[in-house]
Parts: sequence; C-alpha cells; structure tokens
Amino acid sequence: DSGVTQTPKHLITATGQRVTLRCSPRSGDLSVYWYQQSLDQGLQFLIQYYNGEERAKGNILERFSAQQFPDLHSELNLSSLELGDSALYFCASSASSDSSYNEQFFGPGTRLTVL
Amino acid sequence: GNSVTQMEGPVTLSEEAFLTINCTYTATGYPSLFWYVQYPGEGLQLLLKATKADDKGSNKGFEATYRKETTSFHLEKGSVQVSDSAVYFCAQSSNYKLTFGKGTLLTVNP
Repeated sequence: DSGVTQTPKHLITATGQRVTLRCSPRSGDLSVYWYQQSLDQGLQFLIQYYNGEERAKGNILERFSAQQFPDLHSELNLSSLELGDSALYFCASSASSDSSYNEQFFGPGTRLTVL
Repeated sequence: GNSVTQMEGPVTLSEEAFLTINCTYTATGYPSLFWYVQYPGEGLQLLLKATKADDKGSNKGFEATYRKETTSFHLEKGSVQVSDSAVYFCAQSSNYKLTFGKGTLLTVNP
C-alpha cells in the first residue's frame, strides 16, 4: 500500500459526459501528479500540483482540468468525454516539487471506460 | 524533447534465468533515471533509481547503472523468480516530471 488513495476504482460513462476523479496523497506529501495510461500511448504525464499551485503541465487536453485543494487532495476533471479517453488514470504524490530526487508514490488508479 | 526508449516485450523467461531489459534515454542535461515496476492490478512502485552518471541503483536483486556515454540505464537481475512477473518501466526525471518508456512485460515461468 503506497498510501495514495484514488476513487472511484472503476468508472463507466458515455461519450459527451463529464467525470471527476479524486486523489488523496500520502500524509505529508505536497506534490500531486496525474498520469494517463493507455495501450497506444503508454504512460503519459498530465499535470502536477504543488501545495495548491500548478507546477508543471504535460500532455493534458483542454477538455481536462485539475486542481489541488487546501487539504492537498486533488481532483482531475474530464469533460466532453470521447471513446479515446478510456484509460487508466493514476495519481502519484511526492514530498517535494522536484521529481529528480523524490520518489513518486502511485495510487492504484481509476479505470475509466467511455462507451 | 526528452524521451525514453526501452526494449519491446513481452519477455518470457524460466525461473533462475538472467534478465536484461534495455533502456536508453535522450535528454538535455543530466536527468535522474528510474525503474518502476507494475504488478497486475496495481499502481507503479519505484524499483531503483540513479541520480548521476556511474551511479548504480539496486533493489531486490535488480541493478541498473547510469551510463552517460551510452545514455543507457539497463535493468539486470541474475536469477529471476516467478514473483518478478510484472511490467517494468524505465523513466527519466527532468522539469518536474517523469517521462516513461512504454513498459516491458516480463513473465517468469516455473
């Protein structure tokens, strides 16, 4: 158990809908990262927050957004869903903002299926 | 941009065989390098890391050496076990994010 929790575990929805994925980092970790894992694209970095502020952005679509709240939990919002958004979404956390030296701890993931 | 290339799988070995999974990277500067492992139905776990050239990361019998001259970070284990069956990801860290390779599925048969 990494200490990172993600809810829900599975999510099935229809095209055009909007969903929210939730992540609680390990106790004491200030950084939260979101990743998308799909068969064709592999594991892609989406976005990072550090202590409530956006720190780095990766291959995140404009239809997707995220935020980190004062209690440090984070939410990833996916809107106008398309079939291609079906994937496993991971959250990770680390103690600091610099992933060069600090291990990222991954949650178990949320599997999103868009029908 | 920064990228990571690792050998395509799947890799199937018998128990106690020697394992090598190749990984090379392209980067500006000198990133930190990592191997993560993903067991079935779970998230990724850090297996080992190296933060500078010639560093050797090791854990659970796995080793990888940061080779700046060949921009490589190959994963090795002398004697694999059935419990090592998983997907292995090579990654580099720069600009606050991790860039992963596509992953290599390893299956170890008894």
